[in-house]
Amino acid sequence: DTGVSQNPRHKITKRGQNVTFRCDPISEHNRLYWYRQTLGQGPEFLTYFQNEAQLEKSRLLSDRFSAERPKGSFSTLEIQRTEQGDSAMYLCASSLEARNTGELFFGEGSRLTVL
Amino acid sequence: GDSVTQMEGPVTLSEEAFLTINCTYTATGYPSLFWYVQYPGEGLQLLLKATKADDKGSNKGFEATYRKETTSFHLEKGSVQVSDSAVYFCALSDPKTGANNLFFGTGTRLTVIP
Repeated sequence: DTGVSQNPRHKITKRGQNVTFRCDPISEHNRLYWYRQTLGQGPEFLTYFQNEAQLEKSRLLSDRFSAERPKGSFSTLEIQRTEQGDSAMYLCASSLEARNTGELFFGEGSRLTVL
Repeated sequence: GDSVTQMEGPVTLSEEAFLTINCTYTATGYPSLFWYVQYPGEGLQLLLKATKADDKGSNKGFEATYRKETTSFHLEKGSVQVSDSAVYFCALSDPKTGANNLFFGTGTRLTVIP
């Protein structure tokens, strides 16, 4: 499978715990994006990497959220001290800069449930 | 700011019926417009796009025309199939940042019954 891979697919945690999600993009893609999707809503942009550089962050990305892409390949999204409002589907997408067609390739998402 | 308003669902149609899903947008510049589709159990995937006024995007029998005068990008298909059952998202890209930041509508769930 050469698509975008996300793990874990589903995470249930208690309020106050930390969680980490991993995204493996399509191998030749140098751009990587994180989005959040809550029930009944469309995806909302969180942050974006070009190679290992984090170039843009949404105001939705509070101080409890941190994303990394240390070697310009896979990325992690960590949420510290989770709150019930963090319950959502976290989507990762990747693209190839050179084409700049606007097409993002999405993974199936990681669903977070905070109890 | 930039935003997308999408027809609320769910939409249920019989096979071979005509489909329209309305989408209007608000943007300060000249955005690119997209329709993404999410089939059950799969990730979002690009269905079609248009990058300038009067462009028509098309794919898999679906079409949408970029209408600057009405700020719309309605999705149409002449004859839907059961396999078209999915959630459809209208989206735009901020012209200042290219495709780095997509703004999505809330999605419209389509169910096609035999």
